[in-house]
Amino acid sequence: NAGVMQNPRHLVRRRGQEARLRCSPMKGHSHVYWYRQLPEEGLKFMVYLQKENIIDESGMPKERFSAEFPKEGPSILRIQQVVRGDSAAYFCASSLASGTPYQETQYFGPGTRLLVL
Amino acid sequence: AQKVTQAQTEISVVEKEDVTLDCVYETRDTTYYLFWYKQPPSGELVFLIRRNSFDEQNEISGRYSWNFQKSTSSFNFTITASQVVDSAVYFCALAGNTPLVFGKGTRLSVIA
Repeated sequence: NAGVMQNPRHLVRRRGQEARLRCSPMKGHSHVYWYRQLPEEGLKFMVYLQKENIIDESGMPKERFSAEFPKEGPSILRIQQVVRGDSAAYFCASSLASGTPYQETQYFGPGTRLLVL
Repeated sequence: AQKVTQAQTEISVVEKEDVTLDCVYETRDTTYYLFWYKQPPSGELVFLIRRNSFDEQNEISGRYSWNFQKSTSSFNFTITASQVVDSAVYFCALAGNTPLVFGKGTRLSVIA
């Protein structure tokens, strides 16, 4: 019973490059959430998606960041023109479908550690 | 706005000691859920417990127990007879009608 999968686990980019982070939810889960964790900080919500829909992107920076969860394939978090401040751990979580999605248990992937040089 | 406070930044205990991690929350939602997650040194996040706002019964799972007190807006976590493998950062989190909000975590070090 595979859990939430994320790849790559580690990603190194130079300033100005693009970073693409992938997340496959747990089997049977249709809700995906992305979080960012800065060093010595808790996780901060970025975006919540269902298949082909962005439901809540209130935590997403307005520029350079985008997310998608296509009908087929993993969810993608994309960061364009990365800057040093984007260096962080990015976690994906998934949950079952529910009328109150934020209140369902979210199961997390192992995270992608992004380092911007 | 929702808020979770974990006042203890770091705790260090000797193996076999009991330890309690504090969590205090703020919310205006009448229905909400509280969570604890563990982040071991390997970095992944492991779900430990989910508790809804209408269920104030304490919960015990092996060496772990949780004390939910609505009157003080607290959801504390106790590890009994701690072990070295319990060394990790523990996060308390809150979800109502808005996205999950995490505390800053408590780093627990259990020394053999």
